[in-house]
Amino acid sequence: SQQGEEDPQALSIQEGENATMNCSYKTSINNLQWYRQNSGRGLVHLILIRSNEREKHSGRLRVTLDTSKKSSSLLITASRAADTASYFCATEGETSGSRLTFGEGTQLTVNP
Amino acid sequence: DAGVTQSPTHLIKTRGQQVTLRCSPKSGHDTVSWYQQALGQGPQFIFQYYEEEERQRGNFPDRFSGHQFPNYSSELNVNALLLGDSALYLCASSFLGDRVWKGNQPQHFGDGTRLSIL
Repeated sequence: SQQGEEDPQALSIQEGENATMNCSYKTSINNLQWYRQNSGRGLVHLILIRSNEREKHSGRLRVTLDTSKKSSSLLITASRAADTASYFCATEGETSGSRLTFGEGTQLTVNP
Repeated sequence: DAGVTQSPTHLIKTRGQQVTLRCSPKSGHDTVSWYQQALGQGPQFIFQYYEEEERQRGNFPDRFSGHQFPNYSSELNVNALLLGDSALYLCASSFLGDRVWKGNQPQHFGDGTRLSIL
């Protein structure tokens, strides 16, 4: 079963706006990762945040992690039409080795 | 630097048949994991291979089996195909090295094989 839950399931915004996606998980983790998937394609790694980190930035991406609430958020600033994709959070558990547990994903549509 | 490559890209089978999917890991990687992604859902972990052995397995029946070759490439085999096996099958690679996962590495994914069962 999927560990993570993401919300919203779908998000539609205009170019230039910010997009925020949230992820919750259930078990103790080593890290949480965000991946992007363009329609029917493979997953592209975006950012990894370790369990002892609270916030991380990469370009237009900002990720926060709250281990007390077992939740994370991904913020994409100044969105572009090319950001249209599905976004998944994935957790690496403390005892699961490199196995990833994915959420159900958020479908982001950025309208030009 | 070659990334993860999977073949074939698309495959159509009928119920009861058997299928083999192939994956070549990213250069320098020694571990291959397989995931099943049903339409509209997140990927689910099937199993992982390292040193030609299955290290971890998810909640999948033994109709799903795999193999890893000395060059680190891997195959996923599915027997007695069911309609519910229709999905995108993703391969991911990583570097384990000395058998102890040190964590905090991203996984590198291929573009997947789209399997349709008629």
